[in-house]
Amino acid sequence: QKEVEQNSGPLSVPEGAIASLNCTYSDRGSQSFFWYRQYSGKSPELIMFIYSNGDKEDGRFTAQLNKASQYVSLLIRDSQPSDSATYLCAVNPVYGQNFVFGPGTRLSVLP
Amino acid sequence: DTEVTQTPKHLVMGMTNKKSLKCEQHMGHRAMYWYKQKAKKPPELMFVYSYEKLSINESVPSRFSPECPNSSLLNLHLHALQPEDSALYLCASSTREGGLNEQFFGPGTRLTVL
Repeated sequence: QKEVEQNSGPLSVPEGAIASLNCTYSDRGSQSFFWYRQYSGKSPELIMFIYSNGDKEDGRFTAQLNKASQYVSLLIRDSQPSDSATYLCAVNPVYGQNFVFGPGTRLSVLP
Repeated sequence: DTEVTQTPKHLVMGMTNKKSLKCEQHMGHRAMYWYKQKAKKPPELMFVYSYEKLSINESVPSRFSPECPNSSLLNLHLHALQPEDSALYLCASSTREGGLNEQFFGPGTRLTVL
């Protein structure tokens, strides 16, 4: 059974702080990793993807991947109340297979 | 154009009705997906079309019937649904199926079955 795990939260951080969201996966052969943001009642929006070990930065967002530890994280710097949403981690277990979503982490950024 | 569109936005239907959900993309993507999402749960894969052929059917009941008329369009035909089928139905597309291809989601159709 391919599994993706996330802390369900809620994770509360004050405005301006760094929010750290974590995701672990069970299939060591997983190839690609995606972070989606989903506001309540809306559809998931892709914010980052990462394929290689290390860090990938895009604006206030940094994705970190450690394949040896089967761990991927998303850091949000200078968190804003508008970042309050559920963050879904999605993993492609093996090339040619389809996404396995984690349960999502609910983030609340407090003004 | 980097958008996936879905119609209708909201749908209320009785258990004896027949209705269809529509999804469209003009990004030249060759893989399209239907997901079902219940409240506070992640999206759950239902069907995958790759190059207009059904690639994956995740043991979805036959009251859900997908159709891919062409590479830009994806339909989901609904018949004799149950109240527990009420959910947000999401369409997504990607360049190819699986692999290193990110999926882009449409806004979803909120379905209520009475």
